[in-house]
Amino acid sequence: NAGVTQTPKFQVLKTGQSMTLQCAQDMNHEYMSWYRQDPGMGLRLIHYSVGAGITDQGEVPNGYNVSRSTTEDFPLRLLSAAPSQTSVYFCASISGRGYGFETQYFGPGTRLLVL
Amino acid sequence: ELKVEQNPLFLSMQEGKNYTIYCNYSTTSDRLYWYRQDPGKSLESLFVLLSNGAVKQEGRLMASLDTKARLSTLHITAAVHDLSATYFCAGGTQGGSEKLVFGKGTKLTVNP
Repeated sequence: NAGVTQTPKFQVLKTGQSMTLQCAQDMNHEYMSWYRQDPGMGLRLIHYSVGAGITDQGEVPNGYNVSRSTTEDFPLRLLSAAPSQTSVYFCASISGRGYGFETQYFGPGTRLLVL
Repeated sequence: ELKVEQNPLFLSMQEGKNYTIYCNYSTTSDRLYWYRQDPGKSLESLFVLLSNGAVKQEGRLMASLDTKARLSTLHITAAVHDLSATYFCAGGTQGGSEKLVFGKGTKLTVNP
């Protein structure tokens, strides 16, 4: 198992550019989430998915789109990058969801710098 | 709306000492999670606490949950340098961890 993978690891964008952050998991997990981490802010939820074809907004969804066409993939799209979107982005998937042994697996993260 | 507050935000302690990190949350949360993050790395799941009075232990770390007080604690026993990291608590409201509200984290430094 590769676990949760994210690409790219690092990206520099200019204001107004668009891009897609890729997230994939090979553990057949239904539940997946996208978070952003800013210094001193902890992690904040952007979007999440409870299965293929089903997504919903989190705390900070503006400027981001998601889709979930397959169980494995959960890409995050930045529509028109802004400097405020400079952050580290983490994707996560969940095993054993709802049970006492539930575990969240986080990807390695994508560091995004918007100039 | 669920809000999660951790304190302290920074903690410097000596090896061999005990200390507790506190996590308060504002409204009913049906589960509480603890994570560890090393500098420049991703998050690692430590504990999930599902019910009032739940206690879980792994090595020198012990987490507990008091739903009546809306408080979870992470207790560190006889700290060692390898425990230096940032620790996050997070609350969930939808029966799982796909939609979490995180605290700001506690940066723990254990000095020799």
